[in-house]
Amino acid sequence: DAGVIQSPRHEVTEMGQEVTLRCKPISGHNSLFWYRQTMMRGLELLIYFNNNVPIDDSGMPEDRFSAKMPNASFSTLKIQPSEPRDSAVYFCASSPGTGYGYTFGSGTRLTIV
Amino acid sequence: DAKTTQPPSMDCAEGRAANLPCNHSTISGNEYVYWYRQIHSQGPQYIIHGLKNNETNEMASLIITEDRKSSTLILPHATLRDTAVYYCIVRPLTDSWGKFQFGAGTQVVVTP
Repeated sequence: DAGVIQSPRHEVTEMGQEVTLRCKPISGHNSLFWYRQTMMRGLELLIYFNNNVPIDDSGMPEDRFSAKMPNASFSTLKIQPSEPRDSAVYFCASSPGTGYGYTFGSGTRLTIV
Repeated sequence: DAKTTQPPSMDCAEGRAANLPCNHSTISGNEYVYWYRQIHSQGPQYIIHGLKNNETNEMASLIITEDRKSSTLILPHATLRDTAVYYCIVRPLTDSWGKFQFGAGTQVVVTP
């Protein structure tokens, strides 16, 4: 099992540009989560999906952020337009369901200059 | 969800047992205790979880007090690779969507 796969590992983008982060969950896991981690705020839950349906996006900081899960094996987190304060490590995680722990990906380190 | 309190940091000697405390005095009857850790530059890693009985797996043991207001994660023989931030989280199993909220955790440093 390859685990949760995120791409890219690192992204440096100019302010104002669109950024797309990608995640492939573990096959058979029906829940997917996007987290953001910064030194100031720690790990924050942004949004999560169950069976490809967004359940709670209350953690999404503002309308510049959007997430999709078109099928069970792929999800994207998009920032448009990006700002320097969006710089962080973004993690994707998946879970087989209630009561189980999460498996996290290696993260995408995003830097907006 | 119940709040948890963990010491911000602790040191442990390599080869010795590491005992990581967590207070969750407002825990509800349907809330489980979960432990994760995050090694530098990696994503968090699930360790173990339990309700009221002690649990053990290949990574660690979880001891939950009888009143469930606190718990201890035990790494039986700490190695340098166990240096990480350890997070204690309480969450209802009945939370159908299983979302976890991470706090500040305990920075554990294992020294030779």
